[in-house]
Amino acid sequence: QQQVKQSPQSLIVQKGGISIINCAYENTAFDYFPWYQQFPGKGPALLIAIRPDVSEKKEGRFTISFNKSAKQFSLHIMDSQPGDSATYFCAASMPGGYNKLIFGAGTRLAVHP
Amino acid sequence: EAGVAQSPRYKIIEKRQSVAFWCNPISGHATLYWYQQILGQGPKLLIQFQNNGVVDDSQLPKDRFSAERLKGVDSTLKIQPAKLEDSAVYLCASSLGGFSGRSYEQYFGPGTRLTVT
Repeated sequence: QQQVKQSPQSLIVQKGGISIINCAYENTAFDYFPWYQQFPGKGPALLIAIRPDVSEKKEGRFTISFNKSAKQFSLHIMDSQPGDSATYFCAASMPGGYNKLIFGAGTRLAVHP
Repeated sequence: EAGVAQSPRYKIIEKRQSVAFWCNPISGHATLYWYQQILGQGPKLLIQFQNNGVVDDSQLPKDRFSAERLKGVDSTLKIQPAKLEDSAVYLCASSLGGFSGRSYEQYFGPGTRLTVT
């Protein structure tokens, strides 16, 4: 029940295309869903996050879509660029102030020029 | 503002040796986390501090791993003795802590890549 399942494991997209990464969870108590971007040799960097009271959040080219009934959320990267090539992690956390994050296994995105 | 600092960046040790990692969180962040990231996997929480108290160490292998956060600022994570399966990147993260707004946002350091031979 504490797992977050992420797919696909890897993704290849052409420059200018849309990258879509999906995550699913079981625990309905999760109340915070961030996405992190990680480049090789770097720590994960917070990209965008959403709470379950909204169905969509957009920041620049990055959009989170959230489906509470299906217990799924996804990251959409519009107009994908080679600089977006990185590993993306979804995560979820429980309420209570201590924000313990449960991470998905990651998606390695390659954007080809 | 300065980010989360970690040292060393790389460490190679033999099995059964000991090793220590250091973390300096973002100034003013009450909550500090240590994660283990095995190659090809997402980070896994090892231990979480709120100020200088431990709030979650349920996934810390306490027979060999220890951590402390004296004075509620810097933290050290120690492994003694190391095993081959401890080869991973050890990430430190910090957050404001609390119950609302940006207090949930966790900021990660660059990590320490540990290789146990």
